[in-house]
Amino acid sequence: SQQGEEDPQALSIQEGENATMNCSYKTSINNLQWYRQNSGRGLVHLILIRSNEREKHSGRLRVTLDTSKKSSSLLITASRAADTASYFCATDGGKLIFGQGTELSVKP
Amino acid sequence: GAVVSQHPSRVICKSGTSVKIECRSLDFQATTMFWYRQFPKKSLMLMATSNEGSKATYEQGVEKDKFLINHASLTLSTLTVTSAHPEDSSFYICSVDPATRPNEQFFGPGTRLTVL
Repeated sequence: SQQGEEDPQALSIQEGENATMNCSYKTSINNLQWYRQNSGRGLVHLILIRSNEREKHSGRLRVTLDTSKKSSSLLITASRAADTASYFCATDGGKLIFGQGTELSVKP
Repeated sequence: GAVVSQHPSRVICKSGTSVKIECRSLDFQATTMFWYRQFPKKSLMLMATSNEGSKATYEQGVEKDKFLINHASLTLSTLTVTSAHPEDSSFYICSVDPATRPNEQFFGPGTRLTVL
């Protein structure tokens, strides 16, 4: 069963604004990963954060992990219209379990 | 370039027919591949883990006789949807878990199956 829950389910912002997506999970993990999916396409790996890490950066992406609260957040700064996509967290406790995803719409 | 390819990218078939979807790892040898299905605006659901040279491991609730998986080489896994019905219509995605890149999965572009 899917253990990741994400909020919000949908997010609409203006270009230049920051977008924050949250993910909660239920069981212990080795790492947590964030993926992006454009409509009708495969997934693109964005960033991986290990269970002993608290924060990680990659370009305009910032991911935090709080294992005590079993939650993670993905922040996209200075958003662009091209960031419009669905974003999924996936917990890795031996196999990837995906969250429900957040649909991000960035309006130009 | 693409690391994982899937063929076909989309297929439409009549109810009762069988459909084979191929997943190829282009850059890595993969002893393990994964098959997911995704309904519109929904998350990916892991269906099975494909193991090269041995039987696939299916997730609970996935019919192994319905979704046949063959992983005959280190670069190819196939998923055959047997006797397809309209409820099997979905987006099927495979991924590769390279031994040389632990904790990182590479996903194929997906196959859209529509059963009429």
